[in-house]
Amino acid sequence: EAGVAQSPRYKIIEKRQSVAFWCNPISGHATLYWYQQILGQGPKLLIQFQNNGVVDDSQLPKDRFSAERLKGVDSTLKIQPAKLEDSAVYLCASSLDGLPVLFFGPGTRLTVL
Amino acid sequence: QKEVEQDPGPLSVPEGAIVSLNCTYSNSAFQYFMWYRQYSRKGPELLMYTYSSGNKEDGRFTAQVDKSSKYISLFIRDSQPSDSATYLCAMSTPPGNQFYFGTGTSLTVIP
Repeated sequence: EAGVAQSPRYKIIEKRQSVAFWCNPISGHATLYWYQQILGQGPKLLIQFQNNGVVDDSQLPKDRFSAERLKGVDSTLKIQPAKLEDSAVYLCASSLDGLPVLFFGPGTRLTVL
Repeated sequence: QKEVEQDPGPLSVPEGAIVSLNCTYSNSAFQYFMWYRQYSRKGPELLMYTYSSGNKEDGRFTAQVDKSSKYISLFIRDSQPSDSATYLCAMSTPPGNQFYFGTGTSLTVIP
């Protein structure tokens, strides 16, 4: 069974630039999550989708972050404009209905200069 | 009070030692308990999960849940240098699929 796929793996941008991350969850997993992980901390939820509807985006900085999940499969997370404090690893994860266990992708390491 | 507390370490042990990693939590509604291993510059990898109380064993790894004490543990027997990583505990409350994480414990196994 293929795992959660993410791209790119690494990204370096200047502050005020924009960046987008892509995620493809495990086949059949209806719930998709984007997390932000800062070095030395646990993952922090940014947004949770159930199929293509948003379940929780209470911690998403909506003035600069946006996310979508078209057709209930792939998802993209965008930051525009980026700030220095956005430097982190962005993790995509998915879970199966009825089994609340998370499966993570490899993450995208973002550096904002 | 945080939902999940985890000692960040760092923890350093000699090869072959038994390692005990622990988390405490405050929400008695948690039903699923997960342990993840995260190597440097990688995403978290699910090691084990347990439902409700009890023990679960997988090779050198044993997960324990004590719901009465709101305390979970991961034991690693015969630790290897390849076990050097950060270990994250996580918990969830079905059916909403909301997850709560510890901050991770950094483990180094010295050859």
